[in-house]
Amino acid sequence: AQKVTQAQTEISVVEKEDVTLDCVYETRDTTYYLFWYKQPPSGELVFLIRRNSFDEQNEISGRYSWNFQKSTSSFNFTITASQVVDSAVYFCALSETRGSTLGRLYFGRGTQLTVWP
Amino acid sequence: GAVVSQHPSWVICKSGTSVKIECRSLDFQATTMFWYRQFPKQSLMLMATSNEGSKATYEQGVEKDKFLINHASLTLSTLTVTSAHPEDSSFYICSGGRQGSLFVGYEQYFGPGTRLTVT
Repeated sequence: AQKVTQAQTEISVVEKEDVTLDCVYETRDTTYYLFWYKQPPSGELVFLIRRNSFDEQNEISGRYSWNFQKSTSSFNFTITASQVVDSAVYFCALSETRGSTLGRLYFGRGTQLTVWP
Repeated sequence: GAVVSQHPSWVICKSGTSVKIECRSLDFQATTMFWYRQFPKQSLMLMATSNEGSKATYEQGVEKDKFLINHASLTLSTLTVTSAHPEDSSFYICSGGRQGSLFVGYEQYFGPGTRLTVT
């Protein structure tokens, strides 16, 4: 069964601190995709990254970076030099690659990040 | 990227009435559309998956007679909450999906959500 665990419910940091959001997943598929979404107070999901299971290269995009480790089934997200605008709920998600429910996403419970000025 | 719209963005209705929410893929054809529900401070829970021209597949625990889903075309899916009750108040989010390349996988694009309040 597919499962995504975000153990951190809430994180508070002060501006300019670095923060890492953890994500651990479970799947029996050999091919799968992992995602991170940001949900600001407006509610609209903002896509941040998609990673497929056969690409373990870490990725950096500006202040954002992602560390994918299949050995530990983790896909952690780091924000460097956090800013107040980073305050939001962040969701990690896993998607299937086959079957009648192709494409459905399994979401973690989300991590509320609050960045204080 | 592809765009999905939802209408209305928010709605208030009285208990016992029905509400229809539209989800449109504006610049692509969504072979599959997903409907999610999100209660305050909780994660997104998949309600149902619908493929164009066929009946929706509901997740366990979701009442198909209460949450009617129609996916009549490749660009439009509707969710009707029938005989709404206060406990149906929630944030409803749809997404449209299409098969991408092997490296991209299945692409899914989310609508902005509809906030339903039942009084």
